[in-house]
Amino acid sequence: NAGVTQTPKFQVLKTGQSMTLQCAQDMNHEYMSWYRQDPGMGLRLIHYSVGAGITDQGEVPNGYNVSRSTTEDFPLRLLSAAPSQTSVYFCASSRGVSGNTIYFGEGSWLTVV
Amino acid sequence: EDQVTQSPEALRLQEGESSSLNCSYTVSGLRGLFWYRQDPGKGPEFLFTLYSAGEEKEKERLKATLTKKESFLHITAPKPEDSATYLCAVQEAGTASKLTFGTGTRLQVTL
Repeated sequence: NAGVTQTPKFQVLKTGQSMTLQCAQDMNHEYMSWYRQDPGMGLRLIHYSVGAGITDQGEVPNGYNVSRSTTEDFPLRLLSAAPSQTSVYFCASSRGVSGNTIYFGEGSWLTVV
Repeated sequence: EDQVTQSPEALRLQEGESSSLNCSYTVSGLRGLFWYRQDPGKGPEFLFTLYSAGEEKEKERLKATLTKKESFLHITAPKPEDSATYLCAVQEAGTASKLTFGTGTRLQVTL
């Protein structure tokens, strides 16, 4: 049971490049989400999904796209990377949509130069 | 807008020196208050969920309590392996498992 798996662990991008951060969970959780963590700030919600085919915006969605074609996978796409998107990104999942334990992946460190 | 404030920002304890971390929150209808532990270079690791004022939960040297305005994470006789950043987060009722996080307390326990 791997839990929440994120790839890649580390990535360096040039400004304007696009890339996808991958997230997969093997717990059959309906709810998945992406957060970013920056120094001096709490984790902030980027996008979330309450089930396959359903996504919605969080607190800081600009510059990111998501899709949820399967229960297991929830990729995060950066369309045109900017230095302000340098951050650590965490994927999370939970069973159900409210009150249940939310499990996090190990993180993806992204640097945009 | 939900708000979570954690204090202190950093705390240094000697092994065996008990203390408490504070999490003050403002939320319109609390669905749950979560405590996580985060080690450097790792993702947040779940510790506790508290749902209503007066509730308490314990795990080894950690005990979490909840009032209507704040939560405390009490650390009894800490050991060096308890060194980590402790994160507090709230979930507002009806917000589809979205968490609002505080900035964390960095705890260092020395011998």
